[in-house]
Amino acid sequence: ETGVTQSPTHLIKTRGQQVTLRCSSQSGHNTVSWYQQALGQGPQFIFQYYREEENGRGNFPPRFSGLQFPNYSSELNVNALELDDSALYLCASSPISSGGRDEQFFGPGTRLTVL
Amino acid sequence: SQKIEQNSEALNIQEGKTATLTCNYTNYSPAYLQWYRQDPGRGPVFLLLIRENEKEKRKERLKVTFDTTLKQSLFHITASQPADSATYLCALVDTGGFKTIFGAGTRLFVKA
Repeated sequence: ETGVTQSPTHLIKTRGQQVTLRCSSQSGHNTVSWYQQALGQGPQFIFQYYREEENGRGNFPPRFSGLQFPNYSSELNVNALELDDSALYLCASSPISSGGRDEQFFGPGTRLTVL
Repeated sequence: SQKIEQNSEALNIQEGKTATLTCNYTNYSPAYLQWYRQDPGRGPVFLLLIRENEKEKRKERLKVTFDTTLKQSLFHITASQPADSATYLCALVDTGGFKTIFGAGTRLFVKA
C-alpha cells in the first residue's frame, strides 16, 4: 500500500504566475483535502474533494482552485501568485465513507516559494 | 470568529516525565477533535481522534481528553522519550467532516 505522494517537492515561481500542484491519494481513499501551511503556523484548510466534486472550502480566494480525477488523485491550481502564497502545500486523503472525520493521511508537501 | 489556541511557547521536559499539551477553542462546536504529530519538513501524522461524546481516549503512551464545556482538549504523553520531540497539532472537525481547522501547534522538546 503506497502512501500519499505529492509533486513537485519544491517549486519557485514569480509573482503573477500560475502553479499546479499534484497529489496521489492513498489506495482506497476517495476524499482529498488541501492545506496551506505557512512557517510556524498550523495547516490552513483550502478545500476538500469527494468523488470529483468540491465538498467544502476554507477562506481562500477563487484563484485557488482544484480538481479531483476518477482515480481520486487531485490537483491544486493557484493563479496570479502573490508573495504571501509562499508556503508548504499539503495534501491529505481519507478512507472511503469517513470523509475528513477520521484520520487524514498527509503527503510530504510541496514547498512553494514566490519571488 | 472561530479560534483554536495551543501553547505558543515550546514545552521542554525531561525524559521519563509526562508531557501535557493544551488545545482551547472558541466559537466552534466540533464533532471531532484530532491530534497530529509533525516533524520538520514533513506532513502531519495522525495520532488520536476523540468524538464530542467521549471524555477520554488512550493509545499506548498517549491520552487525550475532551471537555466540550470548557472547550478544551488535553494531550498527554507519558514516559516521554527524546524521540517524542516534535510539533503537536490539534485539529477540530465539523460534523460533516468537510472542514478541518488546525491550531498553530506546540513544539515539544524531550531532553535525555
